Amino acid sequence: EAGVVQSPRYKIIEKKQPVAFWCNPISGHNTLYWYLQNLGQGPELLIRYENEEAVDDSQLPKDRFSAERLKGVDSTLKIQPAELGDSAVYLCASSFGGQVDNEQFFGPGTRLTVL
Amino acid sequence: DAKTTQPPSMDCAEGRAANLPCNHSTISGNEYVYWYRQIHSQGPQYIIHGLKNNETNEMASLIITEDRKSSTLILPHATLRDTAVYYCIVRGRDDKIIFGKGTRLHILP
Repeated sequence: EAGVVQSPRYKIIEKKQPVAFWCNPISGHNTLYWYLQNLGQGPELLIRYENEEAVDDSQLPKDRFSAERLKGVDSTLKIQPAELGDSAVYLCASSFGGQVDNEQFFGPGTRLTVL
Repeated sequence: DAKTTQPPSMDCAEGRAANLPCNHSTISGNEYVYWYRQIHSQGPQYIIHGLKNNETNEMASLIITEDRKSSTLILPHATLRDTAVYYCIVRGRDDKIIFGKGTRLHILP
């Protein structure tokens, strides 16, 4: 069974440019998460979806970040415009339901470098 | 903020048991203890979780103290491939996983 798929794996852009990351969760997983991981730190939740609905986006910087999960499957995270401080790894995870007893499966992440 | 405290790094000889401690003194009755690990350049990988009882699976064992204020993850026969950052997480009903900085485990040949 395929795991969580993310693309691209690496992205280098100049500041003020837009960038988008794509995530395809494990088949049948209705809960999808986006995390941000800075160097030397643990991942931090940005947004959580239950099907198409964003049920927790309290940590998403809405002035420049946006996310969507049309049709409740794939998801896209966008940054516009990117800043130097956005350089990080962006992780996508999915789970079967949002219950506390369900493990989250993580993708390999997209490493973003903003120059 | 993370509700757990872990040592920043540990060493373990290859073939020996690796015992990773975690303190979670403010854990509440309905919160689970989860362990994930992250190998370099990969996403975090689920290892094990428990509520009150000790748990074992094909990867590791989880020992939770009777008062639930601390736990230990045991990798019974560590290999070089177990070199990773190990995260101990207390996870409540709202499903949020809050990662701390974890323990960087070095397996020595």
